[in-house]
Amino acid sequence: GQNIDQPTEMTATEGAIVQINCTYQTSGFNGLFWYQQHAGEAPTFLSYNVLDGLEEKGRFSSFLSRSKGYSYLLLKELQMKDSASYLCAVRERGFKTIFGAGTRLFVKA
Amino acid sequence: GAVVSQHPSRVICKSGTSVKIECRSLDFQATTMFWYRQFPKKSLMLMATSNEGSKATYEQGVEKDKFLINHASLTLSTLTVTSAHPEDSSFYICSARAPGTFSTDTQYFGPGTRLTVL
Repeated sequence: GQNIDQPTEMTATEGAIVQINCTYQTSGFNGLFWYQQHAGEAPTFLSYNVLDGLEEKGRFSSFLSRSKGYSYLLLKELQMKDSASYLCAVRERGFKTIFGAGTRLFVKA
Repeated sequence: GAVVSQHPSRVICKSGTSVKIECRSLDFQATTMFWYRQFPKKSLMLMATSNEGSKATYEQGVEKDKFLINHASLTLSTLTVTSAHPEDSSFYICSARAPGTFSTDTQYFGPGTRLTVL
């Protein structure tokens, strides 16, 4: 079956680093995405991994291990505006994308 | 970047009425569009995949007679919630795939439509 797990909530301090983990079990794998979503808004694309390893993009990095069915999103130099939900999503064969329940990140001063 | 619009952004309707939501790709042709719904503090749930010129493919548990999807052109897909009930109240989001792309993020999300059924 399909299953994407990520923590429900996390809290971190402004300026710190936070790592949001995601494990997945899907019927196919054609890439893993991380999205940011603020309340009442549509998701915005953060990163994409299809090969094992780390992808770095500014303050955000994403890691993938296909053999372990595991990914993480790393946010550095946290800012208050980073408070949002972070969605881990797996694209199965074709373009069908399955989303995890999301991790709500609270950044405190 | 690619832009996807949705209309309306918010709609309030009475129970038993039907509501149509439009999803448009503004600067590209979308052969495939996806419809999601999202409940408060929950993730996106894929409802159906809409391919231009053919019938939509619905996910398990989604009633195709209740959620009518039409993808008549390469830039427009519509979702009609028929005989709406309060439990249909949700945030509906569409996304569109641009043809010819395969890597990275090929889904572009619309801003969403907040449906409230009284």
